Amino acid sequence: KAGVTQTPRYLIKTRGQQVTLSCSPISGHRSVSWYQQTPGQGLQFLFEYFSETQRNKGNFPGRFSGRQFSNSRSEMNVSTLELGDSALYLCASSFSGQRTDTQYFGPGTRLTVL
Amino acid sequence: GENVEQHPSTLSVQEGDSAVIKCTYSDSASNYFPWYKQELGKGPQLIIDIRSNVGEKKDQRIAVTLNKTAKHFSLHITETQPEDSAVYFCAASIQGGSEKLVFGKGMKLTVNP
Repeated sequence: KAGVTQTPRYLIKTRGQQVTLSCSPISGHRSVSWYQQTPGQGLQFLFEYFSETQRNKGNFPGRFSGRQFSNSRSEMNVSTLELGDSALYLCASSFSGQRTDTQYFGPGTRLTVL
Repeated sequence: GENVEQHPSTLSVQEGDSAVIKCTYSDSASNYFPWYKQELGKGPQLIIDIRSNVGEKKDQRIAVTLNKTAKHFSLHITETQPEDSAVYFCAASIQGGSEKLVFGKGMKLTVNP
């Protein structure tokens, strides 16, 4: 079974631009969570989608948004990019999104904001 | 909010030695504790997990122990190999709040040949 895939793997943007990242979960998984990983803050939860609905949201500004499609694929969007948005963005999928469900991570998208 | 403390932050061992990573958590309702390994340029990969109805779990050279009374859990790697070099993250499920897992800050393990 194929793992979680993320595209693109690398992105370079400038301040003020916007960016869209894509995540395809493991086949059959309906929950997709997004995380931001930085050296200083570690893994921080952005939001979780289940059956096309945002079920949970972390403590990030409204510039960070996402959506999920009927095939469970998910996208996240960051508008008005800031230098501090440079990070590795990871998505993780799980079968039902229950708290004890195993989350499987993708390889991440490395975003650099200049 | 709930948090997970992980230590040490770095560890260097010789090939063949054992390595131990310790984590403590604050939410007494936590009942799921996964461990992830992240190699350079890759996403975190689940290596083992434990649920609160067991105190220990083993998979080949890797074992995890859980002490719910003390709210800490540990990862033990025996007979370390250079390919074990990576960053290891512990995590704990939490009942309140928006996220389901809280992660430790990670530990960089270096295994010297």
